[in-house]
Amino acid sequence: LAKTTQPISMDSYEGQEVNITCSHNNIATNDYITWYQQFPSQGPRFIIQGYKTKVTNEVASLFIPADRKSSTLSLPRVSLSDTAVYYCLVGDGNSGYALNFGKGTSLLVTP
Amino acid sequence: DTGVSQDPRHKITKRGQNVTFRCDPISEHNRLYWYRQTLGQGPEFLTYFQNEAQLEKSRLLSDRFSAERPKGSFSTLEIQRTEQGDSAMYLCASSLPGGGYTFGSGTRLTVV
Repeated sequence: LAKTTQPISMDSYEGQEVNITCSHNNIATNDYITWYQQFPSQGPRFIIQGYKTKVTNEVASLFIPADRKSSTLSLPRVSLSDTAVYYCLVGDGNSGYALNFGKGTSLLVTP
Repeated sequence: DTGVSQDPRHKITKRGQNVTFRCDPISEHNRLYWYRQTLGQGPEFLTYFQNEAQLEKSRLLSDRFSAERPKGSFSTLEIQRTEQGDSAMYLCASSLPGGGYTFGSGTRLTVV
C-alpha cells in the first residue's frame, strides 16, 4: 500500500482558502486518492475521491498532478466548523485491501 | 437507511472481562471494516469482511480479538480478557467495492 505524508497541523482564519497537500510517491496505477474528515468523538467522514486532474464537489476540490505523486485538498472559504483532522488515503478500493489511515492533518480555523 | 450503527456507544469494563461490540452496516454494502483509534492517532485497521468472509486481519488483531459477520449482515467484534491497552475507540465502516467508506460513530471502550 502506498505510504502517504501530510503536514501534522495547519492553522487558518475564517473565510480563507485552505490547501492541504499529501505526498504519495509510490502510488500504484490502480490506486485512487481519497480524503476523509474527522471531528472529535466521531468516525471519519468521506469528503472526496479522485484518480487524476481535478475533482470538485459541494464541499471541496481535489487537485492531482499528472505524475499523481501528490494531491491537494482545497477547502474554499473555511469556517470554524471546518476545524477537524483531515486524512489522505491512497489505495485500490476494488482490490479488497483495506485502506490505512496515517496521522492526518489537524486543521484549526480561528475567527 | 440511517447509515452505519454501532452499539454500544460507550463501554466501561474491568480488566480481564470479555466485551462484544456490534456493527450494523449500510444494507447494500458488502464490505465491512473494523478499525481502532487511540487519542491523537489515526484509525488503525483491524479486520475486513467481504460479505461473510473475513478476508484480511491486521497483526494488531491478537488472539484475544475475534470478529464475525454471520450471513454477511451485521458484525461483532469480541475482545477476551481485556487489558488496559485495549482502551480505544472501535470504529466500524462499510462500503461498496471501490466506494468510499461510511463510518459509524464508534464504540468507546475504557478498561479499568
